[in-house]
Amino acid sequence: GQSLEQPSEVTAVEGAIVQINCTYQTSGFYGLSWYQQHDGGAPTFLSYNALDGLEETGRFSSFLSRSDSYGYLLLQELQMKDSASYFCAVGGPGRDDKIIFGKGTRLHILP
Amino acid sequence: KAGVTQTPRYLIKTRGQQVTLSCSPISGHRSVSWYQQTPGQGLQFLFEYFSETQRNKGNFPGRFSGRQFSNSRSEMNVSTLELGDSALYLCASRAGQNSPLHFGNGTRLTVT
Repeated sequence: GQSLEQPSEVTAVEGAIVQINCTYQTSGFYGLSWYQQHDGGAPTFLSYNALDGLEETGRFSSFLSRSDSYGYLLLQELQMKDSASYFCAVGGPGRDDKIIFGKGTRLHILP
Repeated sequence: KAGVTQTPRYLIKTRGQQVTLSCSPISGHRSVSWYQQTPGQGLQFLFEYFSETQRNKGNFPGRFSGRQFSNSRSEMNVSTLELGDSALYLCASRAGQNSPLHFGNGTRLTVT
């Protein structure tokens, strides 16, 4: 089976940096993705790591270590609009493998 | 390009009734997935369709079913509704296996 673990809540200060961790257990692996969801909104894709290392997209970066079954999302220069839930997700290597999500991390940003 | 469209946005049903939700994917996307979202449980995978075939199914009872049409539009049906089925049902489409999921705004189902 597949399962993902991420903290349920994280609090940070505006302008600071925050890291949201994700560990996974999967029978196969085909990449770790991150999605953002604001209250009342749809999840939107942020980043994807298929290989080990860091992927950077503006203020957001995502890291993957396949040997440790671990990844994280790094948010820099936090803004109030970054207050949202963040989900990690994994997909298997097979064509028919589904994408499974973690339960999400609620990010609270303090002024 | 239009995004993923889900209808209706809100539904109120009574226990024992059945409901059908609709999803129109992004043009050109042949894969459609359905997720149930409840507080504290995150997004739980229901099923995925590709070219009218169910490619994968999550751990939900048989009351939950779906189908996909030749134009890639998908419907999800829940029969004999239970109070615990109250949730946000999200549909997502993607262009290929390595592509990200594009979500619709969901259908908020309330069962009373």
